[in-house]
Amino acid sequence: KQEVTQIPAALSVPEGENLVLNCSFTDSAIYNLQWFRQDPGKGLTSLLLIQSSQREQTSGRLNASLDKSSGRSTLYIAASQPGDSATYLCAVIGQNFVFGPGTRLSVLP
Amino acid sequence: EAGVAQSPRYKIIEKRQSVAFWCNPISGHATLYWYQQILGQGPKLLIQFQNNGVVDDSQLPKDRFSAERLKGVDSTLKIQPAKLEDSAVYLCASSSRTGRGSNQPQHFGDGTRLSIL
Repeated sequence: KQEVTQIPAALSVPEGENLVLNCSFTDSAIYNLQWFRQDPGKGLTSLLLIQSSQREQTSGRLNASLDKSSGRSTLYIAASQPGDSATYLCAVIGQNFVFGPGTRLSVLP
Repeated sequence: EAGVAQSPRYKIIEKRQSVAFWCNPISGHATLYWYQQILGQGPKLLIQFQNNGVVDDSQLPKDRFSAERLKGVDSTLKIQPAKLEDSAVYLCASSSRTGRGSNQPQHFGDGTRLSIL
């Protein structure tokens, strides 16, 4: 059974810092991995999707990497802004869709 | 393009009552998902439709939950009877292609927040 964890559970940083969010999964037999952000009271917004054959994806200030063999993905946010404050979730798509519990990010002005 | 629409936004019922949620996916999206998100946790997939057929309902509590997607467009999720532990946000998502290896992301609605008294 796939298990997904995310570290840290919460993170508070000053504006302008670069930061890394971590996602770990136990079963490396996956099709792809997707990163989302969730604002309070809202649904999820897709940020990046990495297929199992890829190592990383980039979109603007976001870069996501995938290491299937070690069961890890990281989301790198460059030059963080207060508008980046949200909960960030990773979802591992294999035999099942499994989400991590999320990292709650606060970027302080 | 219009996003995934869900209604109602909020629902409060007493335990043992019934409730239904509605989802209208993005136009042309063949795949539709229902998720349950309990406070502080990530979403849990309840059911996945491809057009009007069920692809995966392995985590749907079938003794009380049911879902349908008539004509392969809108979908409804029903709980009957509701229990206290069903208090959660119910999220609907859609994507343009099926297949777990698809490079098409899921697009989510804002969800229905259900409170059971």
